[in-house]
Amino acid sequence: DAGVIQSPRHEVTEMGQEVTLRCKPISGHNSLFWYRQTMMRGLELLIYFNNNVPIDDSGMPEDRFSAKMPNASFSTLKIQPSEPRDSAVYFCASNRYNEQFFGPGTRLTVL
Amino acid sequence: AQKITQTQPGMFVQEKEAVTLDCTYDTSDQSYGLFWYKQPSSGEMIFLIYQGSYDEQNATEGRYSLNFQKARKSTNLVISASQLGDSAMYFCAMREAGGGSARQLTFGSGTQLTVLP
Repeated sequence: DAGVIQSPRHEVTEMGQEVTLRCKPISGHNSLFWYRQTMMRGLELLIYFNNNVPIDDSGMPEDRFSAKMPNASFSTLKIQPSEPRDSAVYFCASNRYNEQFFGPGTRLTVL
Repeated sequence: AQKITQTQPGMFVQEKEAVTLDCTYDTSDQSYGLFWYKQPSSGEMIFLIYQGSYDEQNATEGRYSLNFQKARKSTNLVISASQLGDSAMYFCAMREAGGGSARQLTFGSGTQLTVLP
């Protein structure tokens, strides 16, 4: 199994630019989660989807953040415009039963 | 109130010894799931072990086992025969209203484990 795939692995951008993070969940998993990890706040859930439908986006920090899941094998997390405080590692995870598997993460740096 | 509490920011253990990482949780749900993840310095999150609230036996997975005490709301991770490669950050997490797949995890602040040669 390929596991959860995320791209890019590293992203460096300037404040004000649009950033798009991508995720491919494990085939057959029907739930997908986006998390953000920072030193100050630890791991936080941003949004999750069940069967491609957003279920809970209460963790999305503000309107600059948006997420889509157009099909069962692809999701994006977009930040527009990006700000330095968005710098973090963004994880995508998927699960079907009790195990939740994480992707390798995208390390985002906004200058 | 925090839902997941890991009171040990850092732990040290001698190679080949066993170590226990503490985790307590807070929930009013009767059905929930408890998870442990390992995050090495490379950054990936590695699923280790799962315990369901209705599981009567403590979960085990190789060198990992859980000391699940439901009345005390604690689920401590025991790593036996520690190896240098076990050095990492360990996160405890909970999924409330367990069963079904579409529930998010709430994570603790983590414990940094260092295995000494």
